[in-house]
Amino acid sequence: GAVVSQHPSRVICKSGTSVKIECRSLDFQATTMFWYRQFPKKSLMLMATSNEGSKATYEQGVEKDKFLINHASLTLSTLTVTSAHPEDSSFYICSANAGGSEQFFGPGTRLTVL
Amino acid sequence: GEDVEQSLFLSVREGDSSVINCTYTDSSSTYLYWYKQEPGAGLQLLTYIFSNMDMKQDQRLTVLLNKKDKHLSLRIADTQTGDSAIYFCAEKGAGKSTFGDGTTLTVKP
Repeated sequence: GAVVSQHPSRVICKSGTSVKIECRSLDFQATTMFWYRQFPKKSLMLMATSNEGSKATYEQGVEKDKFLINHASLTLSTLTVTSAHPEDSSFYICSANAGGSEQFFGPGTRLTVL
Repeated sequence: GEDVEQSLFLSVREGDSSVINCTYTDSSSTYLYWYKQEPGAGLQLLTYIFSNMDMKQDQRLTVLLNKKDKHLSLRIADTQTGDSAIYFCAEKGAGKSTFGDGTTLTVKP
């Protein structure tokens, strides 16, 4: 099946710094990428939908200035957590869609903000 | 908005069958999915069913869909310790996918 990678897999940062997470579709072009946040023992919360070459669509309650999303190419989307705080610590997962019914998920990025 | 519900925990003995249930509210769902998540990892698509089907079997996995009751189930035959994980049900309608909270399956030897 199609492969989606995320980098880094884990990141620890100090409060107030910004962190960039990359999501890449390795063997297909992703027309749409999705960014999710997952709290411990909880379901995935969709944060935003990212379409190549256009602005991301954010879900209600997600601060777009806090979570910057860039989808510069058909194989790369980035999520930047700006001025991170401990409450931003979470597992961030991206998925990519090639236009069909299936979403392909990345392995996730564990963010810990000290 | 759309809602997907699952029971939170299921415990079975190795070799038994596991049945994980899910209900959803979106009548326009076109696809329904089952994902598996192991600790610290992303989601792995196990199987999916189109909304005009009522059953799909794939090796040890059997998916049953009752569209009238908006009820989806995943049966794992001959459950193994490696099947221990969190299983998410998800539905996709015209727009985004909506996920349940996940069922933690524990398989005891």
